[in-house]
Amino acid sequence: AQSVTQLGSHVSVSEGALVLLRCNYSSSVPPYLFWYVQYPNQGLQLLLKYTTGATLVKGINGFEAEFKKSETSFHLTKPSAHMSDAAEYFCAVSEIYYGGSQGNLIFGKGTKLSVKP
Amino acid sequence: NAGVTQTPKFRVLKTGQSMTLLCAQDMNHEYMYWYRQDPGMGLRLIHYSVGEGTTAKGEVPDGYNVSRLKKQNFLLGLESAAPSQTSVYFCASRGGYQETQYFGPGTRLLVL
Repeated sequence: AQSVTQLGSHVSVSEGALVLLRCNYSSSVPPYLFWYVQYPNQGLQLLLKYTTGATLVKGINGFEAEFKKSETSFHLTKPSAHMSDAAEYFCAVSEIYYGGSQGNLIFGKGTKLSVKP
Repeated sequence: NAGVTQTPKFRVLKTGQSMTLLCAQDMNHEYMYWYRQDPGMGLRLIHYSVGEGTTAKGEVPDGYNVSRLKKQNFLLGLESAAPSQTSVYFCASRGGYQETQYFGPGTRLLVL
């Protein structure tokens, strides 16, 4: 069965510091991987996704993530945090079945990012 | 395009009452989903639909029913609300050949 583990329910960084949010997954087949962001009292917005091809994917707002199959990881990074990055971030995985159909998303429990001035 | 919309935004129910949450999308998407979000639990899938007239159970379906009579609408019903159903409910949709799910703004439900 698929699962997603996000290490750290809360992460706090200073403005201008590196942001690193960790995500590990388990999947029996190569998955699609996603990072979503949720600002307070709002729905989820796609940050970036990995489907096929280049393992380093760039998203919105300066975020990027690297798919590492050997480590079953898809960590999210941003070189320099901004106050507006304070939000909750969710990693999600979707299995791809034979024939190309996509399974449902399985979400991690989320990581709340705080940015200190 | 409005994307995915949800009605109502907030509701308070008493235990045993019933209600229906409405999700509408204007992107002609085949797939629609209902999730609940609870603190520290992430999002958990309640029910989903792969097309008009079809529905299927997700991870936490008990106490909920759904219907997809029109392609653009996906309804989530609570027949007899319980305090354990206090949560934030999100609807999402996805096109058949797309990978990305698009989320609505959520419905906050409080069951007393």
